[in-house]
Amino acid sequence: DVKVTQSSRYLVKRTGEKVFLECVQDMDHENMFWYRQDPGLGLRLIYFSYDVKMKEKGDIPEGYSVSREKKERFSLILESASTNQTSMYLCASHSRDRAGQPQHFGDGTRLSIL
Amino acid sequence: DQQVKQNSPSLSVQEGRISILNCDYTNSMFDYFLWYKKYPAEGPTFLISISSIKDKNEDGRFTVFLNKSAKHLSLHIVPSQPGDSAVYFCAASPGAQKLVFGQGTRLTINP
Repeated sequence: DVKVTQSSRYLVKRTGEKVFLECVQDMDHENMFWYRQDPGLGLRLIYFSYDVKMKEKGDIPEGYSVSREKKERFSLILESASTNQTSMYLCASHSRDRAGQPQHFGDGTRLSIL
Repeated sequence: DQQVKQNSPSLSVQEGRISILNCDYTNSMFDYFLWYKKYPAEGPTFLISISSIKDKNEDGRFTVFLNKSAKHLSLHIVPSQPGDSAVYFCAASPGAQKLVFGQGTRLTINP
């Protein structure tokens, strides 16, 4: 079974802080993704990565950056947290070489910015 | 621009009856479609998928139908069970890599 682990289930931070969300997968997947989930908006893609040190912007990258130094780890960084970044953050991984396979998700990090 | 739309935010169905969740899309480049199920405080879990070369895929109680001409897909759950109560997301992809998700439909199964 694919295991995607997000480092924190709940996180409370203050406005202006730099926030790091970590995600690790154990299936040697090339592709990794960061989404945020908000009521009525579904899951929206923030950033994704097709390989180590590669990253591409998703639909809502403003205020975020990412880091992928190792294949199994994909970090989301909130450079200066703001209250509108309070949300559920979900990480996913996917095998690029196995067409038709779904993305596998972690359990999410509920982040509150005060 | 919402490329994948789930127009029903919620749906309530009696246990044992059929649940039908609907999804519409606008991008004709989408060729792979999935349904995910999400419980509170958990990540989405994959339920069933269909490629654009098919119009139906079945897995146990779950069947997904794809109508390419109408750009519409639906998920049928029969019979519905209390454990099916969750939020359901449809998702679409051009080339089975990056996914675009709908807004979600909250399904409640009543005993």
